[in-house]
Parts: sequence; C-alpha cells; structure tokens
Amino acid sequence: DVKVTQSSRYLVKRTGEKVFLECVQDMDHENMFWYRQDPGLGLRLIYFSYDVKMKEKGDIPEGYSVSREKKERFSLILESASTNQTSMYLCASSPRTGGFQPQHFGDGTRLSIL
Amino acid sequence: SQQGEEDPQALSIQEGENATMNCSYKTSINNLQWYRQNSGRGLVHLILIRSNEREKHSGRLRVTLDTSKKSSSLLITASRAADTASYFCATEHGNKLVFGAGTILRVKS
Repeated sequence: DVKVTQSSRYLVKRTGEKVFLECVQDMDHENMFWYRQDPGLGLRLIYFSYDVKMKEKGDIPEGYSVSREKKERFSLILESASTNQTSMYLCASSPRTGGFQPQHFGDGTRLSIL
Repeated sequence: SQQGEEDPQALSIQEGENATMNCSYKTSINNLQWYRQNSGRGLVHLILIRSNEREKHSGRLRVTLDTSKKSSSLLITASRAADTASYFCATEHGNKLVFGAGTILRVKS
C-alpha cells in the first residue's frame, strides 16, 4: 500500500514564525500536493509538484511556498505564519501515468497559529 | 468556481439503511472521484467513474454519473457504524482535483 507520511499530526506555532510541514511518500509517485482543509470549504489546493524541483501554484498559494528537492519529499513552508493559516493541512501523492489517477493522502497536520 | 457541491451537507441514518449522497459540478469532466475521510484522518479514495460510464459498483458502494445534468450520486447500501465519515466528490480540472465541501454521514447503531 502507498504510504504518505506527514511529519506531525499536531503543531502549535506563533505568529510570524517560519513553519515547515514535511511530507514523504514511499511509492515513487511523480505528483505531490498540499491542501488545506477548513470546515465548510472542503479541500483547497495550495501548491503541487509534478517532478523534482518543479512546482505549480494551486488556488490559494499566498503566504506559502514549497520545496521538492527529492522525489519522495514535498515540503510546505509558511514564510511568516499568521492566525488565518490555522487549519488542517493534507499532503497527497499520485502517479503520473496515463489518465488521471486517484490521490493518496497522509493523515494531515493540524496546525494552530497563536 | 469549478468546485463540486455535495448534498446533503449532513445525513444521519440507522445502521442497515441505505445512504445516498449527491454531487453537482459546473464544467465538463473526464472523470469524477469519491473519497471518504474518517474523523481526524486523511482522505481515502473510494471509486472513480469516467465520463463515458453511467454506473459503477464497488462492494456496497454504487456510483452513478449523469453528465447531462452534471451530477453524480454515491449510494452506500446496508450501512454500518463504520461508514460514519465525511464523503467528498472530486472532479479533475487540468492536472488538479477540485473537491466539494463534503457530506457528513453518521450511521447510528
């Protein structure tokens, strides 16, 4: 089974801090994604990457950046954390084969910015 | 917004009953996917239905797709307490998935 591992289940940080969320997948998937999930809003795509060192903005990239130095690892960075970034963050991966493939998700990081 | 919308927002049923959730979307699609999310966990892929398919089954799950109405439904038959979760539809747009806000299903034992 594909395993997507997010480094922390719960994280508490302070306003203005630089925050790193890490995600690792073990199935050699080309595509990796970062979402945030807020009640009533579903999942919103922040950034995605379809190859090492490649990244594309999703629907809500403001205040975030990403890094993909290795195929298996995709990091989300909050440059200067703000309270409105308190949320559940979900990482996902999928293979880049012919046709659109289902995404495999980690268990999420619940981030609180105080 | 291209986002799918699930209906109802919340559903509460007794164990053994069937649960039906609906999803509407706005633009043409290649496929539509359904995911389940247990409380505090990530999403798990349930089923993918392609635009040229009208119905698909997987165990106790039945998904229908009506591209003329831009809608899909997920039916869970003979529900169990373990089916309690949030259910999301997702549509493909370019190389991205766009998720709806989800239906919260509660199955009472």
